[in-house]
Amino acid sequence: QITLKESGPTLVKPTQTLTLTCTFSGFSLSTSGLGVGWIRQPPGKALEWLALIYWNDDKRYSPSLKSRLTITKDTSKNQVVLTMTNMDPVDTATYYCAHSDIVTTIGAHDYWGQGTLVTVSS
Amino acid sequence: QSALTQPASVSGSPGQSITISCTGTSSDVGSYNLVSWYQQHPGKAPKLMIYEVSKRPSGVSNRFSGSKPGNTASLTISGLQAEDEADYYCCSYAGSSTFVVFGGGTKLTVL
Repeated sequence: QITLKESGPTLVKPTQTLTLTCTFSGFSLSTSGLGVGWIRQPPGKALEWLALIYWNDDKRYSPSLKSRLTITKDTSKNQVVLTMTNMDPVDTATYYCAHSDIVTTIGAHDYWGQGTLVTVSS
Repeated sequence: QSALTQPASVSGSPGQSITISCTGTSSDVGSYNLVSWYQQHPGKAPKLMIYEVSKRPSGVSNRFSGSKPGNTASLTISGLQAEDEADYYCCSYAGSSTFVVFGGGTKLTVL
């Protein structure tokens, strides 16, 4: 059974750096083909894809946010960490992490965490 | 502004069929058979309903189907049920640089 759970601060101040952790179970990021991605959703708005890291440490980023994002993995801890610098109120959103399997398909996420709401405010 | 264009809302009565469109470009939807669709109920995480244009993950009802003529993908839900009322998002692979783009979402109302 694959599960994912996001954790991190619920409130950050403008210009601060956000660090979110995705802790997962039911799979290992040492398994060929697997990946974990991050997607966010501002309140009442659409989903926005942010980043993804694969088992082989291949990393992909949204072009519009690439300069602010860093994604890393700790295979031994079954965790993926996303950092986003220079936070702004427009970054207020629910942040989701999600499982991806390149063997099945590319670009789709079949298991999702429950999401964590991050508010950016002074 | 989302990369893929979806209608803001669609509606249908129980038992009817509806179709949600997702228009992209030759850089995403038009170039790859890697369109997926997600269902999202209020306050819940998205659920993968369709991947690779028309494939259904295990456990997804066969009332959900997908197609993709040209640069526009479509999600069809047949035999509408009250539980289908939700937001639906399309998503497409867009090449190794952009990677993934989402649509703006469509709110489905079951009348």
